Amino acid sequence: AQTVTQSQPEMSVQEAETVTLSCTYDTSESDYYLFWYKQPPSRQMILVIRQEAYKQQNATENRFSVNFQKAAKSFSLKISDSQLGDAAMYFCAYRDGGSQGNLIFGKGTKLSVKP
Amino acid sequence: NAGVTQTPKFRVLKTGQSMTLLCAQDMNHEYMYWYRQDPGMGLRLIHYSVGEGTTAKGEVPDGYNVSRLKKQNFLLGLESAAPSQTSVYFCASRLTRVQETQYFGPGTRLLVL
Repeated sequence: AQTVTQSQPEMSVQEAETVTLSCTYDTSESDYYLFWYKQPPSRQMILVIRQEAYKQQNATENRFSVNFQKAAKSFSLKISDSQLGDAAMYFCAYRDGGSQGNLIFGKGTKLSVKP
Repeated sequence: NAGVTQTPKFRVLKTGQSMTLLCAQDMNHEYMYWYRQDPGMGLRLIHYSVGEGTTAKGEVPDGYNVSRLKKQNFLLGLESAAPSQTSVYFCASRLTRVQETQYFGPGTRLLVL
C-alpha cells in the first residue's frame, strides 16, 4: 500500500525567509500525482501545488515550488519570501494515476511564520 | 457558483444517535469523496462515489454509510454514533477521472459524547 510520510511535525520560518517542508512517499506505481495542500485555521483545504510524476520539471506556483526527486521518492515544498498568511498546516498527498482519485495524505507539518 | 458546501458546520451527538451529513457541489463533478480528519493525522478516506448511484468503500468505512442519489449530492450517514467518530469531516469532489484536482468543502465538526 502506498504511504506518505512528513517527518517534520512543526516548522518555523522568519517572515521574508525561505522554508522547505519535506515529504517522502512509497509506491510501486510509475504513474501518479503528488500534491501539497494548505490548511489554515479556517480548516479549508487549499491546493497549493501539484506535480505529475511523468514530468521531470519541478512545478512552481508563484512563491511555491517543489523539488521532486522521483528515484528517491521525495517531494519537498519550498516557500520563498514567507508571509504571515502562509502560517498553516501543510499536507502532502499522493494519488495513483489509475485510481479513482483517492488521495493518500501525510500527517501534516504545522508551519509558523514569525514577524 | 458555491463550489462544495457541507451541512451542518458543527454538530453534537450523543452516543447511539444517528445523523446525516450533506455534501453538495454545483460544478457538475462526477467524483465525490468523504474524508475524516483526526488530531495529528492527515485526511483518511471513508467512502467515495464515481458517479450518480454508485458508492465504494475507502480506508475507514466502518460505522458509516453513504448514498449518491443525485449527482450533486453525497450523503454520509452515521447510524449509531460512537465517541470514536468524533472528528472533522470533509467532502471533496473532482470533475472527471483524468482531472487531478479535488476541491474540498469547508468541513463539518462532529462531537460525539
